[in-house]
Amino acid sequence: DAKTTQPPSMDCAEGRAANLPCNHSTISGNEYVYWYRQIHSQGPQYIIHGLKNNETNEMASLIITEDRKSSTLILPHATLRDTAVYYCIVRPGNNAGNMLTFGGGTRLMVKP
Amino acid sequence: NAGVTQTPKFRILKIGQSMTLQCAQDMNHNYMYWYRQDPGMGLKLIYYSVGAGITDKGEVPNGYNVSRSTTEDFPLRLELAAPSQTSVYFCASSYDRGVYGYTFGSGTRLTVV
Repeated sequence: DAKTTQPPSMDCAEGRAANLPCNHSTISGNEYVYWYRQIHSQGPQYIIHGLKNNETNEMASLIITEDRKSSTLILPHATLRDTAVYYCIVRPGNNAGNMLTFGGGTRLMVKP
Repeated sequence: NAGVTQTPKFRILKIGQSMTLQCAQDMNHNYMYWYRQDPGMGLKLIYYSVGAGITDKGEVPNGYNVSRSTTEDFPLRLELAAPSQTSVYFCASSYDRGVYGYTFGSGTRLTVV
């Protein structure tokens, strides 16, 4: 599976958009980009995933660059409850290994 | 619809004791997983199962055993607990290979003293 690089921490003001970057320069053509988050002491929560097109759901938007070497997760109006560790993961869609591999993630702190 | 349920939420074990961490899901997911998370670290896969009767090792299987006799349940067994197994354990499940995401339980915090 491709490796990802994320900043260890970020701050965001409440009500503003939070833009979380992820580099995955060695991503393969059949690998998807997934985002999960983990609020303190809870299990990880699936947010969104995409292959090459931008995606949006009720939680967030995912912007993937045309060369697919990086992506950005956007929380459009961050709230205090969005304070969490955000994990960017790349894995094949068919995922022959059947496993998610979690790195260090980005610790997002939303401040009032 | 409870999702993924883990019991117990907390447990303290003495070195050498054994225990079983329980995990049950009611979503009819065929894939189930056990992860551990050490303080300040990401999750590491211990074991996974693609269906009843089928299990396979993940990244850190030593010291653990699993079984999958039903679709709903995927217990994790610790034999001869060691301090290195102090961690938070998360169970997860997914439909098929998890293309549309995993559902995680709330975790079991285990301390071995």
